[in-house]
Amino acid sequence: DTAVSQTPKYLVTQMGNDKSIKCEQNLGHDTMYWYKQDSKKFLKIMFSYNNKELIINETVPNRFSPKSPDKAHLNLHINSLELGDSAVYFCASSRADLPGLSGNTIYFGEGSWLTVV
Amino acid sequence: AQTVTQSQPEMSVQEAETVTLSCTYDTSENNYYLFWYKQPPSRQMILVIRQEAYKQQNATENRFSVNFQKAAKSFSLKISDSQLGDTAMYFCAFRRYGGSQGNLIFGKGTKLSVKP
Repeated sequence: DTAVSQTPKYLVTQMGNDKSIKCEQNLGHDTMYWYKQDSKKFLKIMFSYNNKELIINETVPNRFSPKSPDKAHLNLHINSLELGDSAVYFCASSRADLPGLSGNTIYFGEGSWLTVV
Repeated sequence: AQTVTQSQPEMSVQEAETVTLSCTYDTSENNYYLFWYKQPPSRQMILVIRQEAYKQQNATENRFSVNFQKAAKSFSLKISDSQLGDTAMYFCAFRRYGGSQGNLIFGKGTKLSVKP
């Protein structure tokens, strides 16, 4: 079983559309993240949730809205898609309550390739 | 704010040889974690090796080892007996100590090509 799974893996859509990417983790982690990897392969945090509560919200357009129905899921909804939103979006998770290294390792999903045309 | 710098955008190595990827970081914190992730063409992010800053002993994972120099804020990755499957982007990452409060800060990556 995939530990952190994202759907869809590939998404091609037109400018102006609204789309969602879903993420689920079965690791029992209580912290989840969304990262964006741009065309130059630079990875940057977008959001982080801990037990369904938003704890990190980087400078991201408000067209991007994360939703966490429970601590195993963190979905990303994007409104009014723009060409610059084309990127690979990674969901990730970690377990915050474990001290030491094992609790501080972040595990990634396989990424969702979004192309806006 | 923390920053992570990978000064080698691209590197190549012959199969079976050894290569070292450089990483430096800047932080004012004393406790933190450092990671190397591998990203093959499939784009999946794969954890290679990790290090706790308070541990002086360098981490090793099979053919992968690090040279952690805390005073110099340096965290290089050595790959021994390079294999074709090691061809990938390698990202160095920093995470501050403190559970849910710290996210990963990545360097810009080094593209490694292993040649037959």
